[in-house]
Amino acid sequence: AQSVTQLGSHVSVSEGALVLLRCNYSSSVPPYLFWYVQYPNQGLQLLLKYTSAATLVKGINGFEAEFKKSETSFHLTKPSAHMSDAAEYFCAVSGNQAGTALIFGKGTTLSVSS
Amino acid sequence: EPEVTQTPSHQVTQMGQEVILRCVPISNHLYFYWYRQILGQKVEFLVSFYNNEISEKSEIFDDQFSVERPDGSNFTLKIRSTKLEDSAMYFCASSEGRTQYFGPGTRLLVL
Repeated sequence: AQSVTQLGSHVSVSEGALVLLRCNYSSSVPPYLFWYVQYPNQGLQLLLKYTSAATLVKGINGFEAEFKKSETSFHLTKPSAHMSDAAEYFCAVSGNQAGTALIFGKGTTLSVSS
Repeated sequence: EPEVTQTPSHQVTQMGQEVILRCVPISNHLYFYWYRQILGQKVEFLVSFYNNEISEKSEIFDDQFSVERPDGSNFTLKIRSTKLEDSAMYFCASSEGRTQYFGPGTRLLVL
């Protein structure tokens, strides 16, 4: 079975500060891992994905994530937060083939203050 | 850029009524999905669909739910007899491979 744990349901940072959103996964097969972002009253937008190629993955809006197999982690970072980054962020793990369910974490709400 | 679209954006219905949620997946995608998100909770998988049949479904997807691809572009989720607890945001997604792209969602409110 696969699962995702997102540590911290709410993270608050100041504008310009480092953003770190934590995600740990459990998977019995080599995982595909994803981060999605949900702005208020909107759908889920793909931020970035890990698909067993490079362990450091760059996404949109300056976000990146590093896959660490030894730590079963896929933490999301951004060097400098912007007010527009305020949203809910979901980490998800996929099964070992297309058509299988994405298993989501509970989400982390990011607040950015000026 | 191609995207998944969903209609309606909002739907209010009475308990016991049937609702149909509609989705138009990205045109060259072969895999289709439905997820739901109850307010304040995480996104939950309902069902996946490939080659005109269900390929995987969760425990949530019981007999009151059904999916259909009635033509070459639409993908629908039917809830036969809605319950209060069906109130949620329903997301459609589609994929070529493992990367799923989501629509904006339909907010369903059951009264």
